[in-house]
Amino acid sequence: DARVTQTPRDKVTEMGQEVTMRCQPILGHNTVFWYRQTMMQGLELLAYFRNRAPLDDSGMPKDRFSAEMPDATLATLKIQPSEPRDSAVYFCASGIGDPTYNEQFFGPGTRLTVL
Amino acid sequence: GIQVEQSPPDLILQEGANSTLRCNFSDSVNNLQWFHQNPWGQLINLFYIPSGTKQNGRLSATTVATERYSLLYISSSQTTDSGVYFCAVIRYNQGGKLIFGQGTELSVKP
Repeated sequence: DARVTQTPRDKVTEMGQEVTMRCQPILGHNTVFWYRQTMMQGLELLAYFRNRAPLDDSGMPKDRFSAEMPDATLATLKIQPSEPRDSAVYFCASGIGDPTYNEQFFGPGTRLTVL
Repeated sequence: GIQVEQSPPDLILQEGANSTLRCNFSDSVNNLQWFHQNPWGQLINLFYIPSGTKQNGRLSATTVATERYSLLYISSSQTTDSGVYFCAVIRYNQGGKLIFGQGTELSVKP
């Protein structure tokens, strides 16, 4: 049963600390997305990769957030330094081909709490 | 940008009842997905349905692209159907970004 996996599932940290979230897309998928879910904003896109190349990171606060794909089986999202307003659930999703015409599959999410 | 509106915002049902959830969008779309976010927070894919009708067990969905809406039907609801149902769309010029509605929160009582 092919699924997107994310680690950690829950993370509690203190303000100012670095946070790294990891995602393993479904094998064979070549698009990866990072979304963030908050009560106020709902679900919003942070970053989008296709064939490991970043295509859109306009939704990401550039000063503290960074997203990378070291290889086709791993995507990372880092926050440094973290702030209480970063508390949210971070979802990774993956898909095949042009996402305009294809389905995105979501991982279980990482629930981040910044104290 | 495109607007996605879901109705109703909340719905309470008795087990066994049927329901219809609606998703309206403000412009033509190339991609539409329905998700169920369960009480544990997981987003589960229900349908990829930019147009037409699909069925999967007790759930079915219809998208009328020309009239800019989609409907999700839940028949013989069960307590495990509880959670939030999201509609999300992509328009060709959005670069692959899913735009989500605010969701319909469904509670099925035993």
